[in-house]
Amino acid sequence: EAGVAQSPRYKIIEKRQSVAFWCNPISGHATLYWYQQILGQGPKLLIQFQNNGVVDDSQLPKDRFSAERLKGVDSTLKIQPAKLEDSAVYLCASGSLRFSGAFFGQGTRLTVV
Amino acid sequence: ELKVEQNPLFLSMQEGKNYTIYCNYSTTSDRLYWYRQDPGKSLESLFVLLSNGAVKQEGRLMASLDTKARLSTLHITAAVHDLSATYFCAVDKSYGQNFVFGPGTRLSVLP
Repeated sequence: EAGVAQSPRYKIIEKRQSVAFWCNPISGHATLYWYQQILGQGPKLLIQFQNNGVVDDSQLPKDRFSAERLKGVDSTLKIQPAKLEDSAVYLCASGSLRFSGAFFGQGTRLTVV
Repeated sequence: ELKVEQNPLFLSMQEGKNYTIYCNYSTTSDRLYWYRQDPGKSLESLFVLLSNGAVKQEGRLMASLDTKARLSTLHITAAVHDLSATYFCAVDKSYGQNFVFGPGTRLSVLP
């Protein structure tokens, strides 16, 4: 079974630029998550999708972050404009409805300079 | 608001020793997950605990859940160097697989 795919793996941008990350979840998984993990901390949920719909985006900074899930499969997370404090690893994860937890991709390491 | 705490945050132990990592959470939940993260890598699922009293074991690691105490433990038996990693617990806050992660316990097993 293929895992969660993310791209790019690394990205360096200047502050105020925009950036987008892509995620392809495990086939058949209805739930998709985007987490932000700052160095030395636990992952923080940014947004959770159930199929096409948003379940929780309470911690998503909506003035600069946006996310969509295309046809209930792939997802993109965008930051515009980026700030220095957005430097982190952005993890995509997916899950089924069987309470098996979330399965994580390799993440995208974003550095904002 | 659900808060998840872990202790210790840093743990250095010798090979062959036993130790326990604790995960406390602030509101009712009966679903808890443990993950492992190696440096520069993503998170790997270790255990899924879905009810009070649940106990799971894999190799030198054993996890348990006490929902009444809002406490989960991850016990390490006869540690080996390969167990060096950061361990996270995550609690399902709304029965919708909406996870809140703890800060992590960075484990270093020394020869």
